[in-house]
Amino acid sequence: DQQVKQNSPSLRVQEGRISILNCDYTNSMFDYFLWYKKYPAEGPTFLISISSIKDKNEDGRFTVFLNKSAKHLSLHIVPSQPGDSAVYFCAALWWNFNKFYFGSGTKLNVKP
Amino acid sequence: GAGVSQSPRYKVAKRGQDVALRCDPISGHVSLFWYQQALGQGPEFLTYFQNEAQLDKSGLPSDRFFAERPEGSVSTLKIQRTQQEDSAVYLCASSRQATGETQYFGPGTRLLVL
Repeated sequence: DQQVKQNSPSLRVQEGRISILNCDYTNSMFDYFLWYKKYPAEGPTFLISISSIKDKNEDGRFTVFLNKSAKHLSLHIVPSQPGDSAVYFCAALWWNFNKFYFGSGTKLNVKP
Repeated sequence: GAGVSQSPRYKVAKRGQDVALRCDPISGHVSLFWYQQALGQGPEFLTYFQNEAQLDKSGLPSDRFFAERPEGSVSTLKIQRTQQEDSAVYLCASSRQATGETQYFGPGTRLLVL
C-alpha cells in the first residue's frame, strides 16, 4: 500500500514556463516532506523540503506548497530550464520513525 | 569524501550467488539508510543505522538480506542466494543527525541477477 503517490509519471513543459509536480500522501502522521531530483545513473539529490507547520517554502526558482487538509504537496519550478529535466521524487517522513516514504517519481522534460 | 559513495556501481550475479554492496557515508554522519529501487519506482526503505546500531530493519524483504555497520561508518548490505526479483538499484543515504534530517544519497549499485 503506497503511502506517497505521484500520479503523473511524466510531464513535458516548454522552457520558461512553470512546471508543477504533484504528490499525494495518505498518512496524516507525516510531518516533513522533501523533493529529490534524480538524473540517470545518479542517486537522488535533495532539492527542497517543507515542515508540516508551514504551507509554503521557497528557494530560488523552486517553491513547495503543502496542503495538509488535502494531504497534497506540489513543487513549482519557475521558470523551467532544460537542465531541470530529470525524475523528481517526493518523500514524506514520519519524524518519530525516521523512515522516508517515496513516491514513484515524475519524469520532467523541459523542452528548449 | 564530499559525498556518499557506493561500490560496486554495477553488479551482475548468477541466481544463487551471494553479493555484498558497500556504502561509504559522508564523514561524521550519524544515520545511514539502505533503500531498494525497482525500475520505475521510488526508493523503498530497507534498513536504518544510527552509528553502529541497526535500529530498524523492517524493510528487509527476507532473511537473505543482511546489513551491518560495525564501526559506525562504512556499511555493507549482503544478499545471500540472490534471486531474480532482487534485481534493482540499491541506494545508500546518510544524514548528519539521528532523526528527521535531510538524507544525502549515493549513486547506487545496480544489481542484475540472471
